[in-house]
Amino acid sequence: DAGITQSPRHKVTETGTPVTLRCHQTENHRYMYWYRQDPGHGLRLIHYSYGVKDTDKGEVSDGYSVSRSKTEDFLLTLESATSSQTSVYFCAISLTRVSGNTIYFGEGSWLTVV
Amino acid sequence: GESVGLHLPTLSVQEGDNSIINCAYSNSASDYFIWYKQESGKGPQFIIDIRSNMDKRQGQRVTVLLNKTVKHLSLQIAATQPGDSAVYFCAEWETSGSRLTFGEGTQLTVNP
Repeated sequence: DAGITQSPRHKVTETGTPVTLRCHQTENHRYMYWYRQDPGHGLRLIHYSYGVKDTDKGEVSDGYSVSRSKTEDFLLTLESATSSQTSVYFCAISLTRVSGNTIYFGEGSWLTVV
Repeated sequence: GESVGLHLPTLSVQEGDNSIINCAYSNSASDYFIWYKQESGKGPQFIIDIRSNMDKRQGQRVTVLLNKTVKHLSLQIAATQPGDSAVYFCAEWETSGSRLTFGEGTQLTVNP
């Protein structure tokens, strides 16, 4: 295990409600990421963080926000959930964000928006 | 990585056989590659990696081959076991954009 815990692991929510997913790491890695995984698209980067309070957008960031108040915690928030955000969300960590550095994944959070 | 639509390519092998899973990558500027294994209901798990200055790298029961000329990666699993059943996908690091791009993967099924 890469020392990554995601919560909740499964959630069903209604359209228009806010949702927050939490990622906690015990590896003291600088970089943390949120990906979503959908059939036909593979893993796509939503947002990432390169330090406390330092975040940046990925390729599919619309409708999502993130926060990192501590090195070990990275939160993903859907301000107003939509059905298109039904997906599996993976948190990941890495020491750096350069070629040669492996990204390790958590076990995933299954989100269904009805 | 390769995009294959809604249905993953599948590979079915008998227990004990060797498996070869292929991946075509898209960017000639990519210089680091990773293979992941993803079991149903779980997160991707790192298997093995290879840098572009290498052609081959071996791990425990796994070997990755890199052919930069045709932009092709393969993952070879020796003596495949039922526990190897999973989706396997490759990822490529594009140095210029500091971007890791994932393929969609291949579903490996091992028949006892």
